[in-house]
Amino acid sequence: QKEVEQNSGPLSVPEGAIASLNCTYSDRGSQSFFWYRQYSGKSPELIMFIYSNGDKEDGRFTAQLNKASQYVSLLIRDSQPSDSATYLCAVIAAGSQGNLIFGKGTKLSVKP
Amino acid sequence: DADVTQTPRNRITKTGKRIMLECSQTKGHDRMYWYRQDPGLGLQLIYYSFDVKDINKGEISDGYSVSRQAQAKFSLSLESAIPNQTALYFCATKDLYTGELFFGEGSRLTVL
Repeated sequence: QKEVEQNSGPLSVPEGAIASLNCTYSDRGSQSFFWYRQYSGKSPELIMFIYSNGDKEDGRFTAQLNKASQYVSLLIRDSQPSDSATYLCAVIAAGSQGNLIFGKGTKLSVKP
Repeated sequence: DADVTQTPRNRITKTGKRIMLECSQTKGHDRMYWYRQDPGLGLQLIYYSFDVKDINKGEISDGYSVSRQAQAKFSLSLESAIPNQTALYFCATKDLYTGELFFGEGSRLTVL
């Protein structure tokens, strides 16, 4: 069973701080990695995807991928109360027919 | 208008009733998906379709069936609804180049 693991949280950070969200995956052959944000009762929306080892930055968001250690992380700089949501990590594992496997999500709370 | 549209958005029904959730998309994607989301359990794949003639079971297909009426339409049916099928259901399409999933707004189903 290919798995994606996330700490369920809640992760609480003060406004303006850096929020660090982590995700580990079991399948070493995984190739594509995604971070989705989901507000309560709403649909997930893509924040970033990353395919290669290293960092990928987009505005206040940075995704970090380390395939050797099988983890992917998301950093949110200058966190805002509007960032309060559940963050879902998803992975396309080898042999999954391209289907995304989702973690259960980490709930982030940014306190003003 | 949303690129991926789900109807109904909310439905309350009784045990034993047949329910259909409909999904239509304007993104032109071949691949479509149905997910179920329960609190604390993340997104679980019910069925997926690579094109009109290619439909596949996901990890939790028991009790569900699907129909791909056209490239743009993918419906999910519960032949005889039971209370533990109470959940939030999402339809999604996939961009083959990036792997990104695009979600509909969700259909909240309550089975009494």
